[in-house]
Amino acid sequence: DAGVTQSPTHLIKTRGQQVTLRCSPKSGHDTVSWYQQALGQGPQFIFQYYEEEERQRGNFPDRFSGHQFPNYSSELNVNALLLGDSALYLCASSLRPNTGELFFGEGSRLTVL
Amino acid sequence: QKEVEQNSGPLSVPEGAIASLNCTYSDRGSQSFFWYRQYSGKSPELIMFIYSNGDKEDGRFTAQLNKASQYVSLLIRDSQPSDSATYLCAAVDSNYQLIWGAGTKLIIKP
Repeated sequence: DAGVTQSPTHLIKTRGQQVTLRCSPKSGHDTVSWYQQALGQGPQFIFQYYEEEERQRGNFPDRFSGHQFPNYSSELNVNALLLGDSALYLCASSLRPNTGELFFGEGSRLTVL
Repeated sequence: QKEVEQNSGPLSVPEGAIASLNCTYSDRGSQSFFWYRQYSGKSPELIMFIYSNGDKEDGRFTAQLNKASQYVSLLIRDSQPSDSATYLCAAVDSNYQLIWGAGTKLIIKP
């Protein structure tokens, strides 16, 4: 049973560029949440997707957008990258929305130069 | 601003002792609480959740919830060096959002 898979695992971008991160949820899960985690900090909630719609959103600018596909996989897009966007981006899946029982992928580490 | 607060540590505990990790939350309407373990460079892993007042035990781990005091704790008995990690506390608030603490770094000394 495959867990949550994310790609790419590491990437380097320059300021102003755009990035797309991908996530496949754990088998049987239909809800995907995205988090940003800076070094030494707890995860910061970006948004959650369920039934191909954004259901909840954290305090992130519109430069952060996402999508969920019919197979429940999801993408996170970040436009106009800033140095401060450098972080570990975590995808978590769950059996339903509004639960804290999350299964995380290994993350995508983004470095913005 | 709804918050979950944890002491950042590091909390240093001798091997074999009990490690006690604490967390407070501001939203009295929070109903469910979660403890995640995160090893350095890895992603968080759910280890315990608790919904009702009192204690919940799972192996060497015990989660404790006191809703009146808005306090959640995690006890780790017979601490092992492999328990060294950052422990994240999270709560689902009254708006059904998951609010995270910043984590407590635990170091188990052999």
